[in-house]
Parts: sequence; C-alpha cells; structure tokens
Amino acid sequence: NAGVTQTPKFRVLKTGQSMTLLCAQDMNHEYMYWYRQDPGMGLRLIHYSVGEGTTAKGEVPDGYNVSRLKKQNFLLGLESAAPSQTSVYFCASSGGETTYEQYFGPGTRLTVT
Amino acid sequence: AQKVTQAQTEISVVEKEDVTLDCVYETRDTTYYLFWYKQPPSGELVFLIRRNSFDEQNEISGRYSWNFQKSTSSFNFTITASQVVDSAVYFCALSEAGKNTGFQKLVFGTGTRLLVSP
Repeated sequence: NAGVTQTPKFRVLKTGQSMTLLCAQDMNHEYMYWYRQDPGMGLRLIHYSVGEGTTAKGEVPDGYNVSRLKKQNFLLGLESAAPSQTSVYFCASSGGETTYEQYFGPGTRLTVT
Repeated sequence: AQKVTQAQTEISVVEKEDVTLDCVYETRDTTYYLFWYKQPPSGELVFLIRRNSFDEQNEISGRYSWNFQKSTSSFNFTITASQVVDSAVYFCALSEAGKNTGFQKLVFGTGTRLLVSP
C-alpha cells in the first residue's frame, strides 16, 4: 500500500498564481486533513474533511479552498498565492481499523516569490 | 481553547545520555487524546504513541517511555541511552475526543529539536 501520497513534492509560485495540491490515500480512511508547517510554529490545521463531499475549516483556513469529491482524494487549492503561504504542506488521513493513528503524507514544499 | 506547549526549542546530548522532552497541554475537555510524533531530517512525520485521558499508566516501548500526569497536565517523553538516529524534531499533540474515535483534530506544539552527537 502507498499510504498517503502528495503531489507535487516541490513547487515555486509567483505571487498571484494559483495551484492545487493533491492528496491521495489508499487506506479507505473516512477523515482527511491538510496542515501547514512553518518554522517555530509546529503544524497548524488548514481544513479537514469528515467524509466524501464534506469539508470544514481548521485553524488557518484563509486563502485556501478544499474539495473532497472522492473518498480517497483531498485537494487543497490556492487561488491567488501570497508569500505568506510559503510553507511545507502535509496531508493526513485517519479512520478505519487503525483509528488511533493519523497517517501523514511526505509533504509538499511550496515557495511563493 | 486547546493548547500544547513544548518549552524546549532544542536539546543537544551526547550519545548514550538519557533525555526527556517536555509537553504541557491545556484543554477544557474531560476526554481527550495525547500524541507524540517524530519528524526526522527526511521530513516525514512518524507516529510514536497515543494516550487517552483516562489512561495515566506510564508506557515503555524499548528505549522510549512516556509519563502522563493529569495533575500537572503533562505528557513527557524520555529516550533512554540516546542514539544518533534519535536526532529529529519531536512534536507533542492534543486532540479532542469526538464521537468518532478515528477523527482527530490535532493541535500541535511547536516541537523540540533533539540533536544527538556521537
């Protein structure tokens, strides 16, 4: 099993450009999450989903949109990138038989210039 | 609001030393979960442990041990006989306990960077 995968691994954007980060999980997990990691700040929850077709705001949702059209995929969109969105983005999923662990993807390093 | 504090930003030890990473949390929930994750230099996040608020027994897994004390709202992590491979950033996290145990809305601490030198 691949677990949680993220595409792309690295990306450089110019201010104002848009992009979509893709997260895919093959564990049939009900719940999925997007976090951002910034130096000295730990991980902060951007958006999450408790099931296919549902999304909800986390701690730092501004400037981001998400969609969960299929259970296995969770997309994070930046409509108009800003330098403040330079960060490492992690996707995670949980649920199913291993309810006690949240599985993380390898991360996407995004730089906005 | 929930909050996790890891006051130690960076700790440096020499191999074979014991080291304790501190974690203090704040929550108004009576039922909650506490976690530790490891982030090695490669960047991925590795799950280490989850404890629920009703289980205050200390846990030991090889060289790792965890001390959960509700009275002081702490969930400290000790590595015995540290090794170079233990060098990583360690995150403590807190999650409210919802109806569905698989759902975890994690609040992370800022992490402690552990450097183990030979």
